[in-house]
Amino acid sequence: DTAVSQTPKYLVTQMGNDKSIKCEQNLGHDTMYWYKQDSKKFLKIMFSYNNKELIINETVPNRFSPKSPDKAHLNLHINSLELGDSAVYFCASSLHETVSGANVLTFGAGSRLTVL
Amino acid sequence: KQEVTQIPAALSVPEGENLVLNCSFTDSAIYNLQWFRQDPGKGLTSLLLIQSSQREQTSGRLNASLDKSSGRSTLYIAASQPGDSATYLCAVPTGANNLFFGTGTRLTVIP
Repeated sequence: DTAVSQTPKYLVTQMGNDKSIKCEQNLGHDTMYWYKQDSKKFLKIMFSYNNKELIINETVPNRFSPKSPDKAHLNLHINSLELGDSAVYFCASSLHETVSGANVLTFGAGSRLTVL
Repeated sequence: KQEVTQIPAALSVPEGENLVLNCSFTDSAIYNLQWFRQDPGKGLTSLLLIQSSQREQTSGRLNASLDKSSGRSTLYIAASQPGDSATYLCAVPTGANNLFFGTGTRLTVIP
């Protein structure tokens, strides 16, 4: 199946730990993203990665670091997890950058992170 | 700074009714506007994308309109079904590689 897949779907961990969420897309898209959906269901961009160019949202703490081994993968690594990091993290991809006229984002199913 | 607002935050309708979801944005210099659907515990599914040069797009029972000058978009759902129950989000591109989402409308269609 062609899709954006992310693992794990659920992650429960203790404060202070380091964890990673993996994302892979087999759509041949050029651009990948990480979004965070908080408890109020508000979706906010964290990172986008296009042709080896990483664009960082300045409100994201530097404990969050995206890593892209190749165009089809964009993993999210989080150091020193805090309670406030608990959220659902969505990976997405698009053929081009979002400013293009007919560029549609395809989302993964989400990874629910719970920090205790 | 772009702000995207969706009203109402929640809506319940009986099955078979036609309904309209609203999306307002403050910066009309947008390239396109997308409507998404999010089911509980799942990701987002893109429903419709309207380019800035278009006024509406249709897909099955869904029709989305765009009025850039007034900063508004609507999503019309005809003959609603229980399977339409979900949260509907509109989103506009802003800045570099950024899709800015609205606050969402949670729709419940009652059988």
